[in-house]
Amino acid sequence: SYVLTQPPSVSVAPGEAARMTCGGNNIGSKSVHWYQQMPGQAPILVLYYDSDRPSGIPERFSGSNSGNTATLTISRVEAGDEADYYCQVWDTSSDHRNVVFGGGTKLTVL
Amino acid sequence: QVQLQESGPGLVKPSENLSLTCTVSGASITNSSYFWGWIRQPPGRGLEWIGTVHYSGSTYYTPSLRSRVSFSVDTSKNRLSLRLSSVTAADSAVYYCVRHLAWTRVPAAGTPCFDYWGQGTLVTVSS
Repeated sequence: SYVLTQPPSVSVAPGEAARMTCGGNNIGSKSVHWYQQMPGQAPILVLYYDSDRPSGIPERFSGSNSGNTATLTISRVEAGDEADYYCQVWDTSSDHRNVVFGGGTKLTVL
Repeated sequence: QVQLQESGPGLVKPSENLSLTCTVSGASITNSSYFWGWIRQPPGRGLEWIGTVHYSGSTYYTPSLRSRVSFSVDTSKNRLSLRLSSVTAADSAVYYCVRHLAWTRVPAAGTPCFDYWGQGTLVTVSS
């Protein structure tokens, strides 16, 4: 089965850029979605199709996807960005479609 | 504004069946463009997709739960239900109701994302 690997934690100072990676075999050939989960809340979609932002998501959120790594970048990080971030793809390699999530990265704003 | 609201028992005994309902407002569950389903999150852990269903009957399930999971759709009440049989402590989790586009509606080379989530309902499996 397809596996997505995310670093457990990333720490950045306010105003700096946070880069969170999502590794997977040839993930560049897949469409990657990213979700933000604040403590005690349901996840929300922050990026879809690698780099598109839903309405209401700040331009500070951007994404890229190539080779074996997809990346979510938050520029000019704010305290309110502190949350868990999950990447997600669909695995269509077998005879059925399956959703795969990464293990999540906890973003800490120092 | 699309809203999804989960409901069900907060406590289930081991070996019994878990049943949850998701009531949808602000959208019709019979809109052919969307699938509706479930994702769960054990306390302190990551997200696990359970599966999704189209009102027409098409379904997708995660392989590890396929033998124990079933979905149903009540179009008259605009809601969907999840049934998970023979639960164990490992099934204790927050269960989220979600929505995604049908595969036939996404752009070429794209895949569906979960654009709406319910607030989640905590289910504990314990005697």
